[in-house]
Amino acid sequence: DAGVIQSPRHEVTEMGQEVTLRCKPISGHDYLFWYRQTMMRGLELLIYFNNNVPIDDSGMPEDRFSAKMPNASFSTLKIQPSEPRDSAVYFCASSGDTQYFGPGTRLTVL
Amino acid sequence: SQQGEEDPQALSIQEGENATMNCSYKTSINNLQWYRQNSGRGLVHLILIRSNEREKHSGRLRVTLDTSKKSSSLLITASRAADTASYFCATDTSGTYKYIFGTGTRLKVLA
Repeated sequence: DAGVIQSPRHEVTEMGQEVTLRCKPISGHDYLFWYRQTMMRGLELLIYFNNNVPIDDSGMPEDRFSAKMPNASFSTLKIQPSEPRDSAVYFCASSGDTQYFGPGTRLTVL
Repeated sequence: SQQGEEDPQALSIQEGENATMNCSYKTSINNLQWYRQNSGRGLVHLILIRSNEREKHSGRLRVTLDTSKKSSSLLITASRAADTASYFCATDTSGTYKYIFGTGTRLKVLA
């Protein structure tokens, strides 16, 4: 298995633009997680899904953030409109028992 | 607030020495995992230990869990320069695989 796949790996955008991050989990994993990592706040859980259904989105910082999982092999995290303080590395992870992380998307909002 | 807190925040040792990192948490857990993160990279899973287990080994890694003290430790024996990374513990308190990550220990192994 190729592991968790994320795209793009790097994204640079201007404030106010829409940003869409993509994730393909490991086949057969029932859980999918979106995290954000910054120097100031460390690794924060934003939202997670079980069998494509959002279970807990209490970590989503604002209504500007939304996440979807239309099927078992694809999820998106969207920020609209983006702001400079959204700059971070965004990780997707999938799990059965053990969580496996993707390589992350480094987002820079100018 | 953080569920897991690693201690120390930073650790610098010589190659060949052992490195011990500790993780303390606040509420009862189902599972605890340790991860490694190299600078600029994603997190790599190291070991999962369940609440009914006390010790697990994987190669040069040894993890212990003391549920009475709500703490876990990660021991890396015979460290190598390639072990230089940040190490995180993550706890699942609800059995729903919702892991909360600690603040991490930055380990530097000097050649």
